[in-house]
Amino acid sequence: GAGVSQSPRYKVAKRGQDVALRCDPISGHVSLFWYQQALGQGPEFLTYFQNEAQLDKSGLPSDRFFAERPEGSVSTLKIQRTQQEDSAVYLCAGGREVYEQYFGPGTRLTVT
Amino acid sequence: GQNIDQPTEMTATEGAIVQINCTYQTSGFNGLFWYQQHAGEAPTFLSYNVLDGLEEKGRFSSFLSRSKGYSYLLLKELQMKDSASYLCAVRGSTNAGKSTFGDGTTLTVKP
Repeated sequence: GAGVSQSPRYKVAKRGQDVALRCDPISGHVSLFWYQQALGQGPEFLTYFQNEAQLDKSGLPSDRFFAERPEGSVSTLKIQRTQQEDSAVYLCAGGREVYEQYFGPGTRLTVT
Repeated sequence: GQNIDQPTEMTATEGAIVQINCTYQTSGFNGLFWYQQHAGEAPTFLSYNVLDGLEEKGRFSSFLSRSKGYSYLLLKELQMKDSASYLCAVRGSTNAGKSTFGDGTTLTVKP
């Protein structure tokens, strides 16, 4: 596709459920970032991949959050036992270089 | 740690010029980004400054002073479609991939 795509665009989960959010970056984009954006705030860094290697996961808020990119293209962010404070927009961004970030449309997660 | 400060809201008139400031305190510096984000949409890249000075790109310009920990985004000939949130983000020297974002400046352009 022409840009970064994310699915689902909207997700409602009951507290305690597990969710998986998918990111399809632009073909050939080596870098991939995940961010969490709460309403009225800037994106907060979660994790960074270069190809399939997860080089930085310092922003993952707890061990309930897990990200993978096994073949260096599609990435999945998994949240286990969701809590209400996990409600946010989850943004994926990719680029050819580490300083490039082309964002996808985001997944809005609502935990009820 | 990293600290990014920018004004919460600004209002300007169509056709005018507006300057959005950003100050930062970071452990190391590997570049500063400006993004535009319309409500309900993803951020879109506007500029990237790594050296001091002014970078001009059409109606938008971005300035950086590393010694002062200061940047601004200058928008000229404002249009109604420029109403959006403008995000300043800094890439630090440690964890080179990681960018820290400010909370954004919501710009409202009035006719």
